[in-house]
Amino acid sequence: GENVEQHPSTLSVQEGDSAVIKCTYSDSASNYFPWYKQELGKRPQLIIDIRSNVGEKKDQRIAVTLNKTAKHFSLHITETQPEDSAVYFCAAKGQAGTALIFGKGTTLSVSS
Amino acid sequence: DSGVTQTPKHLITATGQRVTLRCSPRSGDLSVYWYQQSLDQGLQFLIQYYNGEERAKGNILERFSAQQFPDLHSELNLSSLELGDSALYFCASSPGQGISGGYGYTFGSGTRLTVV
Repeated sequence: GENVEQHPSTLSVQEGDSAVIKCTYSDSASNYFPWYKQELGKRPQLIIDIRSNVGEKKDQRIAVTLNKTAKHFSLHITETQPEDSAVYFCAAKGQAGTALIFGKGTTLSVSS
Repeated sequence: DSGVTQTPKHLITATGQRVTLRCSPRSGDLSVYWYQQSLDQGLQFLIQYYNGEERAKGNILERFSAQQFPDLHSELNLSSLELGDSALYFCASSPGQGISGGYGYTFGSGTRLTVV
């Protein structure tokens, strides 16, 4: 089955810096790669996603890149703000309807 | 409010006991997924149901079982509870599993289970 590795497990940056979180997946059939943000005590919420026919997607300060050949994808957050502090999870999914498999999460801390 | 409802929000029970967690999916969603979140293991996939039928199993223990009812709500049953079962249990729903469905879950707020 699918296995998703996520690095780093913790990341501390200064406000205004960029943050990058990287994930690798094992199943070459996976075709959907979402990122979720989970604030303390709250549910995970989808922040951006990418499908396998796209190499990069941006939404304001966040972007995701996908390298299908290498089976890895990354989340980029620019101009970080204290409210970006949270746990971020990457995930991968095979064909439509199958379950998302998550990485173990990255705790991002943005200090002002 | 995400539209996915989980009850109860908190549950404290003793080792060896049995509990039932409930999830009502977002209106129109046919798929329900259960995940366990503990401190060092992230979001572990347990089981998936689609329109009343089991579709996939992940790392679900034999002591755990689930079902999805005709009204599409789902229940996760945890029995012979151990201290290590203490965790946050999330359910998520998605529209379906056709070509256009099954992507981008919506999560409920979770049930925090504490086994003492």
